[in-house]
Amino acid sequence: KAGVTQTPRYLIKTRGQQVTLSCSPISGHRSVSWYQQTPGQGLQFLFEYFSETQRNKGNFPGRFSGRQFSNSRSEMNVSTLELGDSALYLCASSHTGARDTEAFFGQGTRLTVV
Amino acid sequence: GENVEQHPSTLSVQEGDSAVIKCTYSDSASNYFPWYKQELGKRPQLIIDIRSNVGEKKDQRIAVTLNKTAKHFSLHITETQPEDSAVYFCAAQYSLSGTYKYIFGTGTRLKVLA
Repeated sequence: KAGVTQTPRYLIKTRGQQVTLSCSPISGHRSVSWYQQTPGQGLQFLFEYFSETQRNKGNFPGRFSGRQFSNSRSEMNVSTLELGDSALYLCASSHTGARDTEAFFGQGTRLTVV
Repeated sequence: GENVEQHPSTLSVQEGDSAVIKCTYSDSASNYFPWYKQELGKRPQLIIDIRSNVGEKKDQRIAVTLNKTAKHFSLHITETQPEDSAVYFCAAQYSLSGTYKYIFGTGTRLKVLA
């Protein structure tokens, strides 16, 4: 069974640009969550999608958005990039996102904003 | 709001010694507490979890304890080995309008000195 796949693995963008990251969950998983990982801040929750609907949202500005497609693949978009957006972005998938279900992480996309 | 505090942020131990990482959560309704290990350059992976109806769980050299009254849970690693060196994240699962999301701690960087 293939794991969670994130593309691209690395990105370098300049301030003001926008970026789209992709996450393909484990086959059969319908819940996809996105996290931002920075040194000292741990894993901060961005949002969660289930069956093409955003179910949960973290405390990030509106520049961060996402969507999920019918095949459960998800994309995250960041507009008007700022230097502080440089981070490792991880997605995690689970079967339903229900109680007590394990989340499986992708390897992440490392975004550098210059 | 929802919060998970994790301590310490860094921990160095001699090979063979024990390591303890502690987390505190804020929502008394949380019922599921996973621990993830993230090796350098790799994705976080679940190493052990505990549910609220259990006070302790062991898996070989790893154990997790939960004190629901105090809203504390801890990871214990005995007979540490160099391959235990990694960043460890605790998490608490929160319920929001019938859906669930994880709130992660800020991570503990464990170094096992040979």
